[in-house]
Amino acid sequence: GAVVSQHPSRVICKSGTSVKIECRSLDFQATTMFWYRQFPKQSLMLMATSNEGSKATYEQGVEKDKFLINHASLTLSTLTVTSAHPEDSSFYICSARDPSRQETQYFGPGTRLLVL
Amino acid sequence: GESVGLHLPTLSVQEGDNSIINCAYSNSASDYFIWYKQESGKGPQFIIDIRSNMDKRQGQRVTVLLNKTVKHLSLQIAATQPGDSAVYFCAENIRIDAGNMLTFGGGTRLMVKP
Repeated sequence: GAVVSQHPSRVICKSGTSVKIECRSLDFQATTMFWYRQFPKQSLMLMATSNEGSKATYEQGVEKDKFLINHASLTLSTLTVTSAHPEDSSFYICSARDPSRQETQYFGPGTRLLVL
Repeated sequence: GESVGLHLPTLSVQEGDNSIINCAYSNSASDYFIWYKQESGKGPQFIIDIRSNMDKRQGQRVTVLLNKTVKHLSLQIAATQPGDSAVYFCAENIRIDAGNMLTFGGGTRLMVKP
């Protein structure tokens, strides 16, 4: 299957800090990437859909000014958690849609964020 | 369909036995389904998919069954191995104006006893 990477894999930061997470599709060009958040023992919750060259589409209840998404190229999307607080601590996972198989999403390894 | 569960249901099986993991979905318009495997601390890994015009699809050691009448999806793992221990999620694809959207089930934890 297609390969999606995320960086960093783990980050610990102080409250009030902004944290940037990168998501890269390594062997295909992804016009659409997705950002999910997963709390312990729960399923994945879609936060936003990132479209290359246009504004991201946020799910209801997700603050767009707090979770900034940039999809500047066909292989890179970034999620910036601005002014992070302890309640933002979670597992953030990105996925990229394989253009040859429009419904299939391939997931990155996830980023564990801990805000102290 | 989409669900959030605070307590993942757990399926415990003996190594070598077959495992069956079930999933109910809610949207009759869903046309494509995927099973993902997620190991602790990692992202979901694609296992197998099936389109709504099929009722069965087989892969290596895995089989997905789709019953559209009762909106039920199952994943069968043959000769379960310790490496199969993980959380398994079903996902359904729905076509919306903006494209395709995946929604995830609550997940099932599979524990394989040696």
